[in-house]
Amino acid sequence: RMTQSPSTLSASVGDRITITCRASQRVTSLLAWYQQKPGKAPKLLIYKTSSLQSGVSSRFSGSGSGTEFTLTISSLQPEDFATYYCQPYNTYSAWTFGQGTKVEI
Amino acid sequence: EVQLVESGGGLVQPGGSLRLSCAASGFTFNSYNMNWVRQAPEKGLEWVSHISSSGNTVFHTDSVQGRFTIFRDNAKNSVYLQMTSLRDEDTAVYYCARDSSVAADFDYWGQGTQVTVSS
Repeated sequence: RMTQSPSTLSASVGDRITITCRASQRVTSLLAWYQQKPGKAPKLLIYKTSSLQSGVSSRFSGSGSGTEFTLTISSLQPEDFATYYCQPYNTYSAWTFGQGTKVEI
Repeated sequence: EVQLVESGGGLVQPGGSLRLSCAASGFTFNSYNMNWVRQAPEKGLEWVSHISSSGNTVFHTDSVQGRFTIFRDNAKNSVYLQMTSLRDEDTAVYYCARDSSVAADFDYWGQGTQVTVSS
């Protein structure tokens, strides 16, 4: 099971923020991060832990290994206020997501 | 441009059935695995079903096993989700999502279709 923290994060434009995704045991070596805005479909931001999806701003970055992974936004912009989900590459036959982190003003 | 367009959602009574469709365009559909992912009101994302590019391999999450069936028609560039014995807890927005070709994640998503199970 992947646990995201915090569940909610209050921040301001220009802030550097970090969201963490932790596993209770080493279940994956890689994961992805998605951004979802209200009423919209999720959007892939980061794949294979640290690779930036095409078209995604370089202020987003991912890192981690083993049981702890992080998504960092270097300088929060107004359009970044959204909910973020991690998704571990655990097993081929079942996919899971973290419970989400809402980034709000 | 990759596009995934879902349809078929609606209001259905508990125990009823519904078939969702996802029409794909802008890529070679028969080269990609496809998925359905749902999101209950005010909740997080839940993967539901997966189908391989050929349609020969399918997986479903435990809570829908035996009730939902994913299938595809590569000639029509479409993937479907047949849902039967629907329950209140199946109420959600259902998204069609494409498997990435480079990793075990979902690189393109449709806009979603609302399924409401209620009497």
